[in-house]
Amino acid sequence: GAVVSQHPSRVICKSGTSVKIECRSLDFQATTMFWYRQFPKQSLMLMATSNEGSKATYEQGVEKDKFLINHASLTLSTLTVTSAHPEDSSFYICSARDTTGGHYGYTFGSGTRLTVV
Amino acid sequence: DAKTTQPPSMDCAEGRAANLPCNHSTISGNEYVYWYRQIHSQGPQYIIHGLKNNETNEMASLIITEDRKSSTLILPHATLRDTAVYYCIVRLVSTGNQFYFGTGTSLTVIP
Repeated sequence: GAVVSQHPSRVICKSGTSVKIECRSLDFQATTMFWYRQFPKQSLMLMATSNEGSKATYEQGVEKDKFLINHASLTLSTLTVTSAHPEDSSFYICSARDTTGGHYGYTFGSGTRLTVV
Repeated sequence: DAKTTQPPSMDCAEGRAANLPCNHSTISGNEYVYWYRQIHSQGPQYIIHGLKNNETNEMASLIITEDRKSSTLILPHATLRDTAVYYCIVRLVSTGNQFYFGTGTSLTVIP
């Protein structure tokens, strides 16, 4: 089945630095990928839709200059958290849609735990 | 996409069937019902989906009421590894449509 790989699984960074998270579709091409954020004991919140070869679409209230998304190929999308602060500490999850799959649903990565100290 | 309502938590005895309800009274005719689950600190995992008919796969069964305003996910023989948060999502099946997650049901399978 479709596999989405996310890297790194955990990262600790200092306040003020930037962190890049990669999301790869391993056995299928994804023109669209999605980025979510999840705080402890809360549900997943959609942050943005990443479109291959074009600008990402951000959900209301998500700062596009802080959460930079690049979808340069059909198998890779990256999320860069710029000038990270402790309040950006969260679980970040990406997903991609495999149109060859029978359910037209989305496959999710295993997530990245970001801790900003 | 239609909004869903799920109980915040449920318990189930190991080996028994777990029945997780979902209310989606504003669902439209071309929206599917999807179920995902999320085990602690992992990404969500697809379970099953359906439009009108009941569906069954190796993981679970999905029962959709005739008026499609509610559904039930059934895990026939719950194991401890089924302890997770279960999300019911309704959405249109078309290119680029996002998944918006509700609060889900936290299922605890008890030994």
